[in-house]
Amino acid sequence: GQQVMQIPQYQHVQEGEDFTTYCNSSTTLSNIQWYKQRPGGHPVFLIQLVKSGEVKKQKRLTFQFGEAKKNSSLHITATQTTDVGTYFCAHDNYTGANSKLTFGKGITLSVRP
Amino acid sequence: NAGVMQNPRHLVRRRGQEARLRCSPMKGHSHVYWYRQLPEEGLKFMVYLQKENIIDESGMPKERFSAEFPKEGPSILRIQQVVRGDSAAYFCASSPFLSGAGGYEQYFGPGTRLTVT
Repeated sequence: GQQVMQIPQYQHVQEGEDFTTYCNSSTTLSNIQWYKQRPGGHPVFLIQLVKSGEVKKQKRLTFQFGEAKKNSSLHITATQTTDVGTYFCAHDNYTGANSKLTFGKGITLSVRP
Repeated sequence: NAGVMQNPRHLVRRRGQEARLRCSPMKGHSHVYWYRQLPEEGLKFMVYLQKENIIDESGMPKERFSAEFPKEGPSILRIQQVVRGDSAAYFCASSPFLSGAGGYEQYFGPGTRLTVT
């Protein structure tokens, strides 16, 4: 299946700073999804992007799908301690009858108050 | 509409015992997925099931692990003769099946934390 890569695995920011992370693929993706997992919690769906160059916003979070549909970014404006957690990107390898997500390894964000 | 339910939330087993993890998908969802997550690691796909069918088990260890999703009742992930390396969080997720272009989000349960002593 198509792989999605997230590097680095950890990032530390000062509260109030902006944060950007990327998800990359060597092949064109039909879609990209983002999930957030709080410490001790379970992954929660955030957003899905399907169109080239698509940008979606959720309050302080901005998600973008690259023009070539090979990468995606998540930007958080003015981070808060509530943003702490691991952010995963994922691709749905849809085959017409079945749906299966391939997840990146995630980036764990810590925020210093 | 209740979310994905998993039980037990925590499970302690001694080496050599069996572990049974249950997952009830969201109402109306026909696809169930199981993932394993080790501390400080990402989600590792294990198996994908629909009612009474295993669609993809490419992530399942060849031995000791099995999964089912019967016509009635929850999906079960079964681990026989557990070893310490099986200690992990096991998440179940479900998604609906709708004809179309794909890209279905998955809804995760709270997970079962398995500890093998």
